[in-house]
Amino acid sequence: DIQMTQSPSSLSASVGDRVTITCRASQSIRSSLNWYQQKPGTAPKLLIYAASSLQRGVSSRFSGSGSGTDFTLTISSLQPEDFATYYCQQSYSTSYTFGQGTKLEIK
Amino acid sequence: QLQLQESGPGLVKPSETLSLTCTVSGGSISITSYYWGWIRQPPGKGLEWIGSIYYSGSTYYNPSLKSRVTISVDTSKNQFSLKLSSVTAADTAVYYCARDNWIDGRVFDYWGQGTLVTVSS
Repeated sequence: DIQMTQSPSSLSASVGDRVTITCRASQSIRSSLNWYQQKPGTAPKLLIYAASSLQRGVSSRFSGSGSGTDFTLTISSLQPEDFATYYCQQSYSTSYTFGQGTKLEIK
Repeated sequence: QLQLQESGPGLVKPSETLSLTCTVSGGSISITSYYWGWIRQPPGKGLEWIGSIYYSGSTYYNPSLKSRVTISVDTSKNQFSLKLSSVTAADTAVYYCARDNWIDGRVFDYWGQGTLVTVSS
């Protein structure tokens, strides 16, 4: 299986901050990397697919970049509704794997 | 608007088989380029993909669960189902069904609300 490692595991930030979350794959996954946001008690929501494509209806303050093994999710200016847990997921292999999650908390 | 809804028992005894169904509404399950998947999340933990199925019945599974998992599809009812055998407490989780979109690079773009399944005697 391809292992996905996110950093940091948790992060405290303030409204208006620019935040970056990193995801690293154990082998090259080209651009087959997706990002999800999950709020407590709700299903994950797709934010970014194919490393950098913004899902329809998602705010443009979310952006993704990277290829190969290293990827980033950036939130340009944090809003109160952005405090949540974020997961990356590789779809290069048909045995999909997720990162362990990054919990974004209010400072 | 596509909607997915999980259903099934919320409590399963150890060693028995967990069975869940996902009903898809607002669109057909029999559309090319879309698979349909199951993902689970133990309480307080991360996400684990279980497996996915095409409307034709073609499946692919997480290797770590493959020996215990069966996913099937009923296109006449616009439903797909999960069976997980020989369950233990480690299988306690919220189980989600989701659309596995192969057009946009194999992403889960629509999700059900999830259903908690507890394994306990």
